[in-house]
Amino acid sequence: RKEVEQDPGPFNVPEGATVAFNCTYSNSASQSFFWYRQDCRKEPKLLMSVYSSGNEDGRFTAQLNRASQYISLLIRDSKLSDSATYLCVVTQTSGNTPLVFGKGTRLSVIA
Amino acid sequence: DVKVTQSSRYLVKRTGEKVFLECVQDMDHENMFWYRQDPGLGLRLIYFSYDVKMKEKGDIPEGYSVSREKKERFSLILESASTNQTSMYLCASSLLQNFGYTFGSGTRLTVV
Repeated sequence: RKEVEQDPGPFNVPEGATVAFNCTYSNSASQSFFWYRQDCRKEPKLLMSVYSSGNEDGRFTAQLNRASQYISLLIRDSKLSDSATYLCVVTQTSGNTPLVFGKGTRLSVIA
Repeated sequence: DVKVTQSSRYLVKRTGEKVFLECVQDMDHENMFWYRQDPGLGLRLIYFSYDVKMKEKGDIPEGYSVSREKKERFSLILESASTNQTSMYLCASSLLQNFGYTFGSGTRLTVV
């Protein structure tokens, strides 16, 4: 079983739509969770951390479900500039070990 | 903000050449990482380092080595470049390994 799994997409949505991505992880000991955004031919950049209680940053909402071992990212009122690949990232354990990156979900917002 | 700088944006090398990819970070981070990214395969960890002169193998270390002589600099070495090492190489650093990483802008390496 892959450590972090994401639907690769692409998700093609019109401007103004709400879109949600899920990501499942296999290691129940994972402690920290992140969403990264990667634009075409650019480096990944941290979008937001994911907290147990869920958190919101403007149009973006991240949630964690430890029982089912998945995290989600909801984008409201999609903008053309939201078009990118969204990477789900988890820690392996609570120790000092590298993060594990999903392969990403590609989003295209269409005018 | 942390800045991670990779020395070259694009690089073309010949098969068999020894290739050095340099990465420098300016925020005194303990941890540094080298990834390669290929279409459909995502980010794959090559090597990482959690201290000066320390190194650990990642998921795909074969054909690569690294050097960390100073805290701010982490070099990736392709001992004898091969065409299957054509890829985007990304360096990252972090304060702790389970903190968010800051990436450099990447080096797109083509081996011909």
